[in-house]
Amino acid sequence: EVQLVGSGGGLIQPGGSLRLSCAASGFNVSSNYMSWVRQAPGKGLEWVSMIYSGGSTYYADSVKGRFTISRDNSQNTLYLQMNSLRVEDTAVYYCARGYCSGGRCYPYYFDYWGQGTLVTVSS
Amino acid sequence: EIVLTQSPATLSLSPGERATLSCRASQSVTTYLAWYQQKPGQAPRLLIYDASNRATGIPARFSGSGSGTDFTLTISSLEPADFAVYYCQQGSNWPPLTFGGGTKVEIK
Repeated sequence: EVQLVGSGGGLIQPGGSLRLSCAASGFNVSSNYMSWVRQAPGKGLEWVSMIYSGGSTYYADSVKGRFTISRDNSQNTLYLQMNSLRVEDTAVYYCARGYCSGGRCYPYYFDYWGQGTLVTVSS
Repeated sequence: EIVLTQSPATLSLSPGERATLSCRASQSVTTYLAWYQQKPGQAPRLLIYDASNRATGIPARFSGSGSGTDFTLTISSLEPADFAVYYCQQGSNWPPLTFGGGTKVEIK
């Protein structure tokens, strides 16, 4: 069974750092497209970052230079290192897998999602 | 950045009725469009990809149509479990991937 379990959220002051983790089971993060998507309280969805199976990474302009996506293949875990956090980064952060069907995988659609981990940036 | 505009913001319907949700893109996304359903406290669920293909395990009452800039999600006969917020998302021109603002389907 495919499962994604996010962790690492919490309350952090502006300017601080936090690392989110997303432990995967039932598939290998190393061979899939993996993304982080966030949702501010009461708001819509915002894509944050993606890592390809080959290691290429992509970011939203709002987090570029501050956030880093990575993975540990041995731990089958996806990470999001968040530095220089701002109040506007407050959100539930979801990890998500690129959708695969019929032998084809799509980096830009998401089928399995983690349960979300809340990051609150406040003084 | 491609902006997706969803309408209406809220749709008030009764179980058994047909729901029609709209998503308009600021420029063509050809058919690189998905629809998601999100219930309170839950992660989104992929319903439709490539504008009209149902994702694995999605019931046939959900259908998607459109291409270019105008897209529609139709729920043929609403069931109680279908009352939720629905988002469209484009995968044509990225980064960034972008989502619409959502349509809430509520019980009338």
